[in-house]
Amino acid sequence: KQEVTQIPAALSVPEGENLVLNCSFTDSAIYNLQWFRQDPGKGLTSLLLIQSSQREQTSGRLNASLDKSSGRSTLYIAASQPGDSATYLCAVRIIDSGGYQKVTFGTGTKLQVIP
Amino acid sequence: ETGVTQTPRHLVMGMTNKKSLKCEQHLGHNAMYWYKQSAKKPLELMFVYNFKEQTENNSVPSRFSPECPNSSHLFLHLHTLQPEDSALYLCASSQEFTGELFFGEGSRLTVL
Repeated sequence: KQEVTQIPAALSVPEGENLVLNCSFTDSAIYNLQWFRQDPGKGLTSLLLIQSSQREQTSGRLNASLDKSSGRSTLYIAASQPGDSATYLCAVRIIDSGGYQKVTFGTGTKLQVIP
Repeated sequence: ETGVTQTPRHLVMGMTNKKSLKCEQHLGHNAMYWYKQSAKKPLELMFVYNFKEQTENNSVPSRFSPECPNSSHLFLHLHTLQPEDSALYLCASSQEFTGELFFGEGSRLTVL
């Protein structure tokens, strides 16, 4: 059974700092991995999708990396801003032998960027 | 605006009521999903529809009944719910079965 862990559960940083969020998974036979942000009481906003054949993806100040062999993905946020404050979730997709997909979410890292 | 619209945004119902949640996607996707998000717990996949056919039901109680009349619309029919069913219910869609997920804003359900 795939388990997805995000540590730390909460993180507080001063504005302008570069930071790294971590996502670990137990089953390395993943199909893809997706990072989201969620604002309080809102839905999930897709940030980056990394296919299993890729090592990293970039979008603006965000860079996500994937290391399947070690079961890890990181989300790097450069020059953090107060507007980056949100909960960040990673989701890992696998395809089982029957062709059914299973997406497992982590419990998220709640980020607060202090002005 | 993510292209996935959920209504209502908030719903309060008694345990004997029957209500429905609606999801509509304007992205031309062919797969749609229902997820449940409870406090302090990871998102739980409830149902998956691929090309209007249900491909996954994660042991969800029968008091939750999904309906997918076409690839753009998804409903979640609710009846005789329990207080522990109170949660944020999220709809998502993807271009293909294994593509990038796009979520709606969610429907906050409170069962009294």
